[in-house]
Order: sequence, then structure tokens, then C-alpha cells
Amino acid sequence: GNSVTQMEGPVTLSEEAFLTINCTYTATGYPSLFWYVQYPGEGLQLLLKATKADDKGSNKGFEATYRKETTSFHLEKGSVQVSDSAVYFCALTKDYKLSFGAGTTVTVRA
Amino acid sequence: DARVTQTPRHKVTEMGQEVTMRCQPILGHNTVFWYRQTMMQGLELLAYFRNRAPLDDSGMPKDRFSAEMPDATLATLKIQPSEPRDSAVYFCASGPGGRSSYNEQFFGPGTRLTVL
Repeated sequence: GNSVTQMEGPVTLSEEAFLTINCTYTATGYPSLFWYVQYPGEGLQLLLKATKADDKGSNKGFEATYRKETTSFHLEKGSVQVSDSAVYFCALTKDYKLSFGAGTTVTVRA
Repeated sequence: DARVTQTPRHKVTEMGQEVTMRCQPILGHNTVFWYRQTMMQGLELLAYFRNRAPLDDSGMPKDRFSAEMPDATLATLKIQPSEPRDSAVYFCASGPGGRSSYNEQFFGPGTRLTVL
């Protein structure tokens, strides 16, 4: 079946540090890949997506590249801010179902 | 600014009581999803509707949970009777339908349910 494995947290960083959250997937065919972000007390928001191999999704300074050869979709940001503190979920969709990773809690300290 | 809305945002109830959660999908969206989020299980898909028809509720405990869409602007998730293990945050999400619905879902703020 389809599944997503992402780096376990929690991750604590200082402001302006580099952030990487690893994500790998298992799926048949060609899924679409996503990163969702969940701020405290809120629902999930789509952060970025990539729908085919070698696509790069980007938004708010975050980037992730769909790597079919390594079945990965790692999330990166070059300089984090306190406002980036949240839980980040890697996900894939095949047909209508979203399969989520366990989530990685990121805390950015001033 | 179109958003998925959910009511109530918080619900505390006693074991055995009926709980009804409501969701208003984004106008024009024809796919609706119900998820449950817990610390132990993460995010689980409970039910999926397309054009108001239930297409997948395999993730939902059938004996006590039910999901319906009385009309295109309302989706409901009911638990009867509720149990402490149902305590979780329940999210509704909607999608625009067609091919793009396979790619993106828009989430509501969730209903935090506590069953004592």
C-alpha cells in the first residue's frame, strides 16, 4: 500500500537556521506529493506540492523536490523564523486518498 | 476568502451521549473528507464523499459512527454512543472535484472532542 515516512521530531532551531525535514514514500505508480503545515490550534494548510518527478514545489521560502529515484520529497528552508514553528506533514495522494506521515514538530527560538 | 467551516470547535461530553459534528465545505467543492487526528494514530481518513455520495467509509467504525451529506452545503459526522477512545480532533476537508480533487484538499479548523 501507499505510505509516507518522515523524520521524527521534535526539531528545535534558532532563528535564521537551515531546516531540513526528510520524507520518503512508498507507492505504486506516480503519486502526487505534498507538504502540509499545521499551526497550533488550526487545521492543516497546504504548504507546497509536486505532481511529477523532478518537480520542485515552493512556497514561503520552503522548497521540496520530487525525487523518484530515491522516492523522497525532503522539505527545506534556508532561514527559518519564529513564525515557522508548527507541525509539518508529508503526504502523498493516489486516486483520492491522502496518506500522511506522522508529522514533525518544529520549534524556532528567537 | 473561501474556507471550510466546522462546528462546534470544541465539544466535551459524557460517555454514551450522541455527538454531531458539522462541516460546511467550500462553495462549489464536490468532494468532502472526514479525518480524525490523535497523538497515537496521527491522521486517519474516516470517510469520503463525492457529489454527496459516500464512496469510502472503510476507516470509520460502523457500529457507532455515521457520516452523511444532507445537501451540498452540509456534511455531518455522528457518534452514537460516544466513548472515551473517540476523544480526538476531527477535521473536515473539501476539494474542488475533477482531476484536481485528487491533488489538493482544503481543511477546516477541526472539532476537538473530549469524551469523559
